[in-house]
Amino acid sequence: GNSVTQMEGPVTLSEEAFLTINCTYTATGYPSLFWYVQYPGEGLQLLLKATKADDKGSNKGFEATYRKETTSFHLEKGSVQVSDSAVYFCALLTEYGNKLVFGAGTILRVKS
Amino acid sequence: GAVVSQHPSRVICKSGTSVKIECRSLDFQATTMFWYRQFPKKSLMLMATSNEGSKATYEQGVEKDKFLINHASLTLSTLTVTSAHPEDSSFYICSAVTGGTGYTFGSGTRLTVV
Repeated sequence: GNSVTQMEGPVTLSEEAFLTINCTYTATGYPSLFWYVQYPGEGLQLLLKATKADDKGSNKGFEATYRKETTSFHLEKGSVQVSDSAVYFCALLTEYGNKLVFGAGTILRVKS
Repeated sequence: GAVVSQHPSRVICKSGTSVKIECRSLDFQATTMFWYRQFPKKSLMLMATSNEGSKATYEQGVEKDKFLINHASLTLSTLTVTSAHPEDSSFYICSAVTGGTGYTFGSGTRLTVV
């Protein structure tokens, strides 16, 4: 079946550190891939997405590249801020479906 | 951009009562909406797919008689938790399809059953 695996958190970093949150997926065909962010007490916001292999999604300094050969979509940011503290979800949408499949989420804590 | 309004943001109810949560698409028509439940420190669990004008499709293990979903118009879907019990306490989130691969989420409802 379709699934998403994320690195377990929490991830704790100091401000301006480099961030990587790993995400791998299992899916048939060519899924679209997403990163969502959830701030405390809120719903999810789309952070970035990629719809085909080798596409790079980027937003607010975050980037992720759709790697079909490694079935990965790792999230990176060169310099995190305290305001980036949130829960990050990797997700996929299968080629012919309409249901998002989420990873377990990774808590990011950034200390000043 | 597309906005989904979810109301209420927090609700506390007594055990045995029913609670209704609304999810509205403010500036677009949403023929399909999704309802999720999120447990503490856990991912989102899809509960059901709500289609305008037809019955909702529930995921395996979700009690459809307990979690009533109504999608009576293109801009409104409601989730009613009937005869709520403390184990129903959770964070409920709706989302709407906004075309293509776009999904917009509501801000969530924190339900506490006492």
